[in-house]
Amino acid sequence: KNEVEQSPQNLTAQEGEFITINCSYSVGISALHWLQQHPGGGIVSLFMLSSGKKKHGRLIATINIQEKHSSLHITASHPRDSAVYICAALPTFMDSNYQLIWGAGTKLIIKP
Amino acid sequence: NAGVTQTPKFRILKIGQSMTLQCTQDMNHNYMYWYRQDPGMGLKLIYYSVGAGITDKGEVPNGYNVSRSTTEDFPLRLELAAPSQTSVYFCASSYSQGPNTEAFFGQGTRLTVV
Repeated sequence: KNEVEQSPQNLTAQEGEFITINCSYSVGISALHWLQQHPGGGIVSLFMLSSGKKKHGRLIATINIQEKHSSLHITASHPRDSAVYICAALPTFMDSNYQLIWGAGTKLIIKP
Repeated sequence: NAGVTQTPKFRILKIGQSMTLQCTQDMNHNYMYWYRQDPGMGLKLIYYSVGAGITDKGEVPNGYNVSRSTTEDFPLRLELAAPSQTSVYFCASSYSQGPNTEAFFGQGTRLTVV
């Protein structure tokens, strides 16, 4: 079992829909990252959070430390949001050496 | 700033051949990483470096080598290519490590070993 699980693996929605992508983890963490990978392959960082909620434009990331769960929401989704969204957890255990544990990604397709 | 630049973008290798994936960053970052991405799997760390002259193994180092002679460059070497090394490779860099550190990624190299 992976220490970081994302759901769903694939998500297809219509333009304008509210999107939720989930990330659950089984280890203690000091931070969780959300990243976006475009069809061209490049990966960019969206959020880093260790508690609460962060918002950037139409993207919102939340984290519940007690439940070991984070969500990425997209409001008013648009075809240009089509990408793979990846969460990565930074464990707290001492021998992690600050190395991230990566989820497998959620492939999002937004249809016009 | 160009950020993190990887070359080549695509490569086909025959079994047993060798090659070097190049990675350079112009942000003066101390920390650099090589990952591989396989279908349906999370990124796996191959090697990382915390500064010039210092490298360390990640989760899946077998079959690879790295060097870090300068802050800017972190090449990944495949000595005897095997089909299991067919993957997409990403180089990344960061200013530091820790909870609030953003990593910057290259565009990736798609490698096929036949």
